[in-house]
Amino acid sequence: DQQVKQNSPSLSVQEGRISILNCDYTNSMFDYFLWYKKYPAEGPTFLISISSIKDKNEDGRFTVFLNKSAKHLSLHIVPSQPGDSAVYFCAASARLTGGGNKLTFGTGTQLKVEL
Amino acid sequence: GAVVSQHPSRVICKSGTSVKIECRSLDFQATTMFWYRQFPKKSLMLMATSNEGSKATYEQGVEKDKFLINHASLTLSTLTVTSAHPEDSSFYICSARATGTGNEKLFFGSGTQLSVL
Repeated sequence: DQQVKQNSPSLSVQEGRISILNCDYTNSMFDYFLWYKKYPAEGPTFLISISSIKDKNEDGRFTVFLNKSAKHLSLHIVPSQPGDSAVYFCAASARLTGGGNKLTFGTGTQLKVEL
Repeated sequence: GAVVSQHPSRVICKSGTSVKIECRSLDFQATTMFWYRQFPKKSLMLMATSNEGSKATYEQGVEKDKFLINHASLTLSTLTVTSAHPEDSSFYICSARATGTGNEKLFFGSGTQLSVL
């Protein structure tokens, strides 16, 4: 039962354009969401997060949007740069119900930013 | 940023043998470490939560006698896959969190690809 889904295994975007990575979840107890970025042969690194009390969080070129009613979040990267090429994982946790330790991950989306 | 070192990065072993994977936090103390497993084209699945000085907490469906976890110090946790079988072949990855921090400060190792022949 995949509680966090990233339906696009890959995405290709031109440099300078916007990259939009999508993530859907099914567990209504999730109240905290994170995006991690992973380069080959390295572990995932934290990118940006959002609490369920917000609908948007921005950090430089990265913005995460949360639509609780649709159980959907997205990561926007603008402008996209070649160095953004990586696998992006969406993750969720249920902090309020004591599940803050446990992250449930999506399957990842491979982003390729082309020159 | 903080570094988590995971070793080995790749291991091939014969069926029936045991394999130990180490996870070290290099520049911070990690009271909690996590072990994940990833099958091809699947998501990272949490196997167990390792707390320094106490028994690990295993997720449902994970055999604690097969996947032995030891967190003997604030900087080291080990996962031993005992009597490995081909179905144990997978990508194993650890993560560590500094004391008192949240998932924004969760640092991952680079993973171990285990192949059981």
